[in-house]
Amino acid sequence: KQEVTQIPAALSVPEGENLVLNCSFTDSAIYNLQWFRQDPGKGLTSLLLIQSSQREQTSGRLNASLDKSSGRSTLYIAASQPGDSATYLCAVTSGGNQFYFGTGTSLTVIP
Amino acid sequence: EAGVAQSPRYKIIEKRQSVAFWCNPISGHATLYWYQQILGQGPKLLIQFQNNGVVDDSQLPKDRFSAERLKGVDSTLKIQPAKLEDSAVYLCASRLGTSGGQETQYFGPGTRLLVL
Repeated sequence: KQEVTQIPAALSVPEGENLVLNCSFTDSAIYNLQWFRQDPGKGLTSLLLIQSSQREQTSGRLNASLDKSSGRSTLYIAASQPGDSATYLCAVTSGGNQFYFGTGTSLTVIP
Repeated sequence: EAGVAQSPRYKIIEKRQSVAFWCNPISGHATLYWYQQILGQGPKLLIQFQNNGVVDDSQLPKDRFSAERLKGVDSTLKIQPAKLEDSAVYLCASRLGTSGGQETQYFGPGTRLLVL
């Protein structure tokens, strides 16, 4: 069974700092990996989706990389802003279209 | 384009009572998911529908949870009877297609359930 782990569980950084969130998964046979953002009391918003054949995806200040062979992904956030404060979840799609989420990283950007 | 709608947003019940949640996916989306998210954890898939058929319900506690998707559109998730450990946010998501992993899932705002 696929297991997805995210480190750190919580992170607090000053505004303007660049930061990296980590995601690891145990079974490299995945269709894709997604990074989501979850704000308190709200649903999940998809940030980036990386297909298994891709190495990275970029959107604005966000860059996500995927190393399928080592079972790792990173989400890089450049020049962090207070509005980036949220919980970030990674999820992998495995065989049978099963969707497995990590436990998330709670990010606080301090003005 | 309207997003995934869920109701109610909040529900407080006593243990052993029954509760039902409703989800209206994005129009035209064939695949619908229900997730349970316990505080401090990532969402866990409970059940996946493709149109009105169940694809995966391996993690649904079938002795107390049930779900249906009427006419391949709206869906309801029911808990009967509820236990304290059912306190969680119940998320509904939908996806346009039915195969592969090429598309993202779109999530509703969730229903926050508290069982006392």
